[in-house]
Amino acid sequence: EADIYQTPRYLVIGTGKKITLECSQTMGHDKMYWYQQDPGMELHLIHYSYGVNSTEKGDLSSESTVSRIRTEHFPLTLESARPSHTSQYLCASSGDGPQHFGDGTRLSIL
Amino acid sequence: GDSVTQMEGPVTLSEEAFLTINCTYTATGYPSLFWYVQYPGEGLQLLLKATKADDKGSNKGFEATYRKETTSFHLEKGSVQVSDSAVYFCALSFLGGYQKVTFGTGTKLQVIP
Repeated sequence: EADIYQTPRYLVIGTGKKITLECSQTMGHDKMYWYQQDPGMELHLIHYSYGVNSTEKGDLSSESTVSRIRTEHFPLTLESARPSHTSQYLCASSGDGPQHFGDGTRLSIL
Repeated sequence: GDSVTQMEGPVTLSEEAFLTINCTYTATGYPSLFWYVQYPGEGLQLLLKATKADDKGSNKGFEATYRKETTSFHLEKGSVQVSDSAVYFCALSFLGGYQKVTFGTGTKLQVIP
């Protein structure tokens, strides 16, 4: 089983708040990813990282930002949450093999 | 660019029925192919994979064969169970380096007793 953890699992919060979604992996993978999953199930890549101090934007434009200060940690931050940010966020990591996913954070902005 | 097309859902089957979920792909070169499964309230789990033409991936009774001539990777299971109810994603990637994964849109499977 892959060891990749996301917290919190669920978050309901008001508009304008700053939010950080945590993602950690214990597999030593150099590559990490953030996906946004809409209610129709489709996955959209919003950020990825090749390794420490590397971050890139994905295919879907997002107002969120990410950082990669440590190999195992890839947090995602929203400076000022809006209702349009309501979604499920999935974190993944990989070495040379397939991507492994965390269980996701379901975010609701009121 | 690369793309993955999988059959629309939802698919509803009775327990012990035969399952096929179609998946075709378009890619430059020879990607690795995957099926991921997402159970309710969880993230995606790798179900099976195939890395070259004619390879057959299998796991938990599910199978899929990498068909280069038809650019397909259809998922099959001989006898589904209620516990197989989930969303199934077909995907492709070029492993090694930065491996962008191209996902299909997902097919929801519901198995009824």
